[in-house]
Amino acid sequence: DAMVIQNPRYQVTQFGKPVTLSCSQTLNHNVMYWYQQKSSQAPKLLFHYYDKDFNNEADTPDNFQSRRPNTSFCFLDIRSPGLGDAAMYLCATSREGRGASSYEQYFGPGTRLTVT
Amino acid sequence: SQQGEEDPQALSIQEGENATMNCSYKTSINNLQWYRQNSGRGLVHLILIRSNEREKHSGRLRVTLDTSKKSSSLLITASRAADTASYFCATAPPGQNFVFGPGTRLSVLP
Repeated sequence: DAMVIQNPRYQVTQFGKPVTLSCSQTLNHNVMYWYQQKSSQAPKLLFHYYDKDFNNEADTPDNFQSRRPNTSFCFLDIRSPGLGDAAMYLCATSREGRGASSYEQYFGPGTRLTVT
Repeated sequence: SQQGEEDPQALSIQEGENATMNCSYKTSINNLQWYRQNSGRGLVHLILIRSNEREKHSGRLRVTLDTSKKSSSLLITASRAADTASYFCATAPPGQNFVFGPGTRLSVLP
């Protein structure tokens, strides 16, 4: 049974055209993460939610925004995608105490974004 | 600079052989985790080892942790073609989020 679901699996957007990626989870985990992963590189954390508290990484571009309307869903909005934003976007969840990284993360299958 | 770095970057072995990957990190940690990623897919958690543990096993996987050397190793015994994947270590200084190393790309040849 899928626990972290990402839609769509593949997304093609035009340069500068806003795009939204979605993630949902059935684990009832309080923390949700968005990572960007470029080819042959490590996943890079963009931001995470601890419950409804949004935490942005210092080097995440302003072009990336996120929404978490409830425990189960989280969205990644890219306001004006550039060619450099083409990547795999991974959503992950964990049960976590604030400010700690004590538990494993559960990842979705990812959304591969192409920018034309 | 990376908090965690895997070594080697790429490893190619024959089916049935053992594969060893290493991870070095820079700061004190609460725990260290290893993940596997098949091509074009999400990451799958393999093992978590806490800073007060020295060795942990899970099936064909053995992970060691040496906090004095700030290093960990992942051993896959009796490798199979299905083990072909990228393997990442993830470390987090206390109170901070995980940072993934650049990964080791393992190819197991039939």
